[in-house]
Amino acid sequence: EVQLVESGGGLVQPGGSLRLSCAASGFTLRGYWMHWVRQAPGKGLVWVSRINGDGSSISYADSVKGRFTISRDNAKNTLYLQMNSLSAEDTAVYYCARGDGYNPPDSWGQGTLVTVSS
Amino acid sequence: QSVLTQPPSASGTPGQRVTISCSGSGSSIGSNNVYWYRQIPGTAPKLLIYRNNQRPSGVPDRFSGSKSGTSASLAISGLRSEDEADYYCAAWDDSLSAHVLFGGGTKLTVL
Repeated sequence: EVQLVESGGGLVQPGGSLRLSCAASGFTLRGYWMHWVRQAPGKGLVWVSRINGDGSSISYADSVKGRFTISRDNAKNTLYLQMNSLSAEDTAVYYCARGDGYNPPDSWGQGTLVTVSS
Repeated sequence: QSVLTQPPSASGTPGQRVTISCSGSGSSIGSNNVYWYRQIPGTAPKLLIYRNNQRPSGVPDRFSGSKSGTSASLAISGLRSEDEADYYCAAWDDSLSAHVLFGGGTKLTVL
């Protein structure tokens, strides 16, 4: 069974940083693209970033480009999202999701809440 | 602002058939597969339809997906109270840096 478990969320001040982790199990992480998707309170799903199986191809939404960095450690079956220069607009539940090639995700974690507030 | 357009709300009575539309463009739905998700507020999205019309194991055949040109639809037949949820469409986009696009979501109410 595919399992994705996010961690690392919490309360951070504007301008601060946070690193999210996503532990994967039930499948071989290196064989899959992975995504981060976020959902602001009461709002819809918004794609944030994706990384291919070996980390050689990465892309970001314009709203986070230059501030967020996606990475992965296939040996540890873990996906990461380093988030810098956070603002209130980044407040959201962040979901880790498994990719299906050049397709939207097919499996999702339970999400971790990031709140940016002073 | 989402570039996949869904109606914000839909409704039906138990037993009815309801459809939810998703409109995109040539670089999104017109060129790529459409996925559909169901989300109960406070929980993670769950895959409902993948590659336009395929159901994951465990999803009842009351749920079906279709695609034509730059639009797609999700149909739910034999509506049940437990179908009340938010539904999202998604597709890869070939033209933008935001490679996965999501619709704005449709809140389905079972009357």
